[in-house]
Amino acid sequence: KAGVTQTPRYLIKTRGQQVTLSCSPISGHRSVSWYQQTPGQGLQFLFEYFSETQRNKGNFPGRFSGRQFSNSRSEMNVSTLELGDSALYLCASSLKPDTQYFGPGTRLTVL
Amino acid sequence: AQTVTQSQPEMSVQEAETVTLSCTYDTSENNYYLFWYKQPPSRQMILVIRQEAYKQQNATENRFSVNFQKAAKSFSLKISDSQLGDTAMYFCAFMKRGRAGDFGNEKLTFGTGTRLTIIP
Repeated sequence: KAGVTQTPRYLIKTRGQQVTLSCSPISGHRSVSWYQQTPGQGLQFLFEYFSETQRNKGNFPGRFSGRQFSNSRSEMNVSTLELGDSALYLCASSLKPDTQYFGPGTRLTVL
Repeated sequence: AQTVTQSQPEMSVQEAETVTLSCTYDTSENNYYLFWYKQPPSRQMILVIRQEAYKQQNATENRFSVNFQKAAKSFSLKISDSQLGDTAMYFCAFMKRGRAGDFGNEKLTFGTGTRLTIIP
């Protein structure tokens, strides 16, 4: 069974632009969570989606948003990019609400 | 809110030796899960082992085992017969347990990680 896939793997943007990252969960997994990883703040929870509904949200500004489609694929969007948004963005999927499996991540660089 | 503390930023050990990584956590929850994930240089986060707090028996996965002390809120990872492929960042993580089948509590709270290097 294929693992969690994330596209693109690498992305370079400039300040003020917006970006959309995509995540396809493991087949049959309906829950998708997003995390931001930076050297300074470590791993921080962004949000979680289940059945196309946001079920949980971390402490991030409104510039960070997401959605989930009927096939469980998820996207996250960051508008008005700032230098501090440079990070590795990790997506994880769950079959049951007890274990998350992670994708390879998208490395976003904001110049 | 939950906090997870990993007090060893870096460790190194000779190949084939045993190493133990420490993790403590703080929570007022009684039902939860604890995890160890490894993140090798490829940056892929890989699940190593999972412990359910209501189970007293320590979880094991091949060369990996945990020492779960619920009262002390301690959750250490022991790697036996360490291999070069074990070189990675290791993260301890906490997840609150919701009602059975009820999604919405799967937020993982991570520690700051321990960088483990296996020396040939």
